[in-house]
Amino acid sequence: DAKTTQPTSMDCAEGRAANLPCNHSTISGNEYVYWYRQIHSQGPQYIIHGLKNNETNEMASLIITEDRKSSTLILPHATLRDTAVYYCIVRVSGNTPLVFGKGTRLSVIA
Amino acid sequence: NAGVTQTPKFRVLKTGQSMTLLCAQDMNHEYMYWYRQDPGMGLRLIHYSVGEGTTAKGEVPDGYNVSRLKKQNFLLGLESAAPSQTSVYFCASTRTGPDPGAFFGQGTRLTVV
Repeated sequence: DAKTTQPTSMDCAEGRAANLPCNHSTISGNEYVYWYRQIHSQGPQYIIHGLKNNETNEMASLIITEDRKSSTLILPHATLRDTAVYYCIVRVSGNTPLVFGKGTRLSVIA
Repeated sequence: NAGVTQTPKFRVLKTGQSMTLLCAQDMNHEYMYWYRQDPGMGLRLIHYSVGEGTTAKGEVPDGYNVSRLKKQNFLLGLESAAPSQTSVYFCASTRTGPDPGAFFGQGTRLTVV
């Protein structure tokens, strides 16, 4: 079973920040938080990952709480092309498979 | 670089027929994975491989076999296809060490009638 809990769906206005929450209360000390997204029926796309510290790249920011039991993926200026299913996954880096839950369906609205 | 390439992209099989799905990656990745995705569901892991010549079962391995004879290729076989295996199949690969994330293929849409 997936080790994360995410809302089933969310809406966001185009141009606004999209904040996608994820609960992972049973995360272990050596497990990272990964975010992927799947646009329509394409293969999932890696977005970002982190262990303890907040992370930022060209696609998004990842905010991890101090106790590491939850995190938030932030898309700073959502566009229509960000409409997708977003998956939050916890795993030990590198050598363990990704286990997907049902994710959050984000709809960006014009 | 092509990344992860899946062959074929679409296939229709009759119940009881066999087929092999090919996944090829050109990134010299150690780890490769096969997933299936049913409508409205997340991806479920079928089998995976941590290196050439090795394979392991995932969440839903029944009815499938895999082989990793070459590092760059990961084959998924259906010996006797069933309608319950109608799904979209995704292959992925990752490298060892610091992990930038998995790369996924574009999927194979399989229908078993």
